[in-house]
Amino acid sequence: GDSVTQTEGQVTVSESKSLIINCTYSATSIGYPNLFWYVRYPGEGLQLLLKVITAGQKGSSRGFEATYNKEATSFHLQKASVQESDSAVYYCALSDNSAGNKLTFGIGTRVLVRP
Amino acid sequence: EAAVTQSPRSKVAVTGGKVTLSCHQTNNHDYMYWYRQDTGHGLRLIHYSYVADSTEKGDIPDGYKASRPSQENFSLILELASLSQTAVYFCASSADRANTEVFFGKGTRLTVV
Repeated sequence: GDSVTQTEGQVTVSESKSLIINCTYSATSIGYPNLFWYVRYPGEGLQLLLKVITAGQKGSSRGFEATYNKEATSFHLQKASVQESDSAVYYCALSDNSAGNKLTFGIGTRVLVRP
Repeated sequence: EAAVTQSPRSKVAVTGGKVTLSCHQTNNHDYMYWYRQDTGHGLRLIHYSYVADSTEKGDIPDGYKASRPSQENFSLILELASLSQTAVYFCASSADRANTEVFFGKGTRLTVV
């Protein structure tokens, strides 16, 4: 089946420093999955951060970027300068192109930004 | 703003008891989903529905039933709760277009004792 592997556990980073969360995927049932990053802020539900549905393209939102690398089957999330408000749990996910939008998630990475 | 509301937000249930988790959406979305998250796992799909009065099995349906009595409401039912079903459960909804955003509720923390 399909799977998503991302940086596990907690990442602690100081405010204004850079952040990278690694994500790789395996999509055995579909050739070109759609790729997403969702974020869960404390006390909130998951919300879409960014998505990319075309290989080679980059998505960006709120200062975060991720590039769909088909050759490396990767979709790493990066931000050049984090803020305390970026403290949250980040989930990498994929879906196929069906109308169902069923998502396969990674384990989630907790990011703690220290002031 | 799209809204998915789950109730209860937290519950303690007894092993062997029946548990019903409820979800209500005001997004006018056709699709609704139930996911669970455990320590050491990402969210995994339990059941989903694309129309009222019909449900589909997701990746981990065993031990769960689902009910979609209307477009707005989607319930997850544990007929005989077990310790292994202790988890955080998320309800979500989306439109029926591919690649569209999925909107999530805040989650229900279920502890089975």
